[in-house]
Amino acid sequence: DAKTTQPTSMDCAEGRAANLPCNHSTISGNEYVYWYRQIHSQGPQYIIHGLKNNETNEMASLIITEDRKSSTLILPHATLRDTAVYYCIVTNSGNQFYFGTGTSLTVIP
Amino acid sequence: SAVISQKPSRDICQRGTSLTIQCQVDSQVTMMFWYRQQPGQSLTLIATANQGSEATYESGFVIDKFPISRPNLTFSTLTVSNMSPEDSSIYLCSVEYSGVSSYEQYFGPGTRLTVT
Repeated sequence: DAKTTQPTSMDCAEGRAANLPCNHSTISGNEYVYWYRQIHSQGPQYIIHGLKNNETNEMASLIITEDRKSSTLILPHATLRDTAVYYCIVTNSGNQFYFGTGTSLTVIP
Repeated sequence: SAVISQKPSRDICQRGTSLTIQCQVDSQVTMMFWYRQQPGQSLTLIATANQGSEATYESGFVIDKFPISRPNLTFSTLTVSNMSPEDSSIYLCSVEYSGVSSYEQYFGPGTRLTVT
């Protein structure tokens, strides 16, 4: 079962930063936080993942709180192509991914 | 990242028939996964398929309904058997790549199945 909670939907103005929150209060010490997105029923696309340190790559930044009970995915300059459903996933020991309902992000021109 | 292909990309099938979905990856991987995404829903893990062993099914999914083969490290199939309209979904495979201390999953484009 999914172990994360995300808002159902969010809007963001084009060119502004999109900040997508995720709660994972039951995360255990060796579990990673992963973010994926799915654009219009395509296969989910990997964005970023982290354990406890903040991470940044060419797509996004991941901010994980010190207690690791929540995290935020930041898209620094949202474009219309970033409109998608964003999934926050906390892994279990068997490496399986259990998807929650995700956040539907709409980038508004 | 991996290049993953699935065949067919979509199909329309009659109830009571079976469909086999193929998943091909461009490099050798140990772990492959199959997911189902029903209309308007999130992804649900069906099973984990490791090469050389029987697939491990999640609760609510059984081998008789969703038999899986994993003949080598680059290929897997999922069969949807004795289909009903409730099986209309997108079926996706994914593969796991392991790094030094963590791993990533990459997903195929999906197979859109409609059962009439």
